[in-house]
Parts: sequence; C-alpha cells; structure tokens
Amino acid sequence: EAGVAQSPRYKIIEKRQSVAFWCNPISGHATLYWYQQILGQGPKLLIQFQNNGVVDDSQLPKDRFSAERLKGVDSTLKIQPAKLEDSAVYLCASSLDPSGPRWYFGPGTRLLVL
Amino acid sequence: KNEVEQSPQNLTAQEGEFITINCSYSVGISALHWLQQHPGGGIVSLFMLSSGKKKHGRLIATINIQEKHSSLHITASHPRDSAVYICAVRIGGGADGLTFGKGTHLIIQP
Repeated sequence: EAGVAQSPRYKIIEKRQSVAFWCNPISGHATLYWYQQILGQGPKLLIQFQNNGVVDDSQLPKDRFSAERLKGVDSTLKIQPAKLEDSAVYLCASSLDPSGPRWYFGPGTRLLVL
Repeated sequence: KNEVEQSPQNLTAQEGEFITINCSYSVGISALHWLQQHPGGGIVSLFMLSSGKKKHGRLIATINIQEKHSSLHITASHPRDSAVYICAVRIGGGADGLTFGKGTHLIIQP
C-alpha cells in the first residue's frame, strides 16, 4: 500500500513569510496528525483530526498556525507569519483509528526559517 | 519535566552486542509505542504495547505498567539498526495523539 505522502520535502523561507504543507494519508485512515519536531527533540503533536473534525489542537499556536482537512482526506498545515523558532520538521501521520496498533508517518517537511 | 523520559540519549555499540533502550513515563497511559526514525525523517512504527512483551525478529519490547517502564531490546545488533529509537505514549483513554520521548540515538559500529 502507498504510504503517507507529504510535500514539499524541504522549504526555506524568510521570517514573516507564509508557508503551507500538504499531507495525503493512507487511504481509509480516519485519523490524521500533524507533529512538529525540532532538532534534537521528539515530535510534538500540533493537531489531530478524526475524519474532517478536529479532536485536539491544544498545542497548535493558533495565532499563526492553521490546519484543515477537507473532505476527511488530505490535510494542509499553514504558518502565517513564520518565525525563526518554527524551523523544524513537520511530520504527518495517519492511522485507521487512534487506538490502533499501527501508525504511519510521512517523510516530513523540513522547514528552515531565516 | 518531560512526561516521557528515555535513556540513554546516545548509545554506541559494536556489531553483535545486545542493546537495551529504556523508557519511563510519569502518567497513566493506554498504550506505548516504540518507533524507529532513520536519518531524513522517516519514522516506522515498531511495536505498540499495553502489557507484557512483544517480539519481532531481533527486536523485543517489554512493558511494566505498574512501574511505568518499558524497554526495547535488540539482539545481535547490526549497523543497519543504527537509527533514533523513540518511545511514545498515548495518555488517557485512547483518543489522544502520542506524547513522544526525545529519542535514543543508536550507532552500531561494524
């Protein structure tokens, strides 16, 4: 089966610019997650979707970050405006359901904010 | 204080050695995952545990719910096992995202 797809793989922007990341989960996976992984740290959950509804966005900096999952399939994560501390790898993951044994991660988008 | 602590942070061993990576957590969980992250960001799910022990090939994962501790063992380690191993827990009733440890950077030298 095809894995979780993410694009772009790399992005370099200047601070105060905007950027958007795209994720296509595994077909049929209802649960989709966006994680932020800063260098040297474990991933931190930003937002969790169940189908097209938000389950948890408590750690999403909502003044600058937004995410949507239209039609319960693909998802986009946007940062506007970006700050230097947003430099990180943004990982998308999906699973059939949150309690399932297998989580599948995309390759990530590496963001560098200058 | 992180809710999930891993040790060691870095581990270098010789090919063939028996490897143990530890994970301790401070909250009640419904499941614990061991993940493998290769350079470049790709993450692979190795195990999900809620009790006892699981084995897959040369990998063994154990969990002690009472002690809030889990271990990942690698037998007959090989250079291709070199990666970051991450412990992640699902806190609460099971509908939440994972909380991750910082990872253990493992290098197996030939």
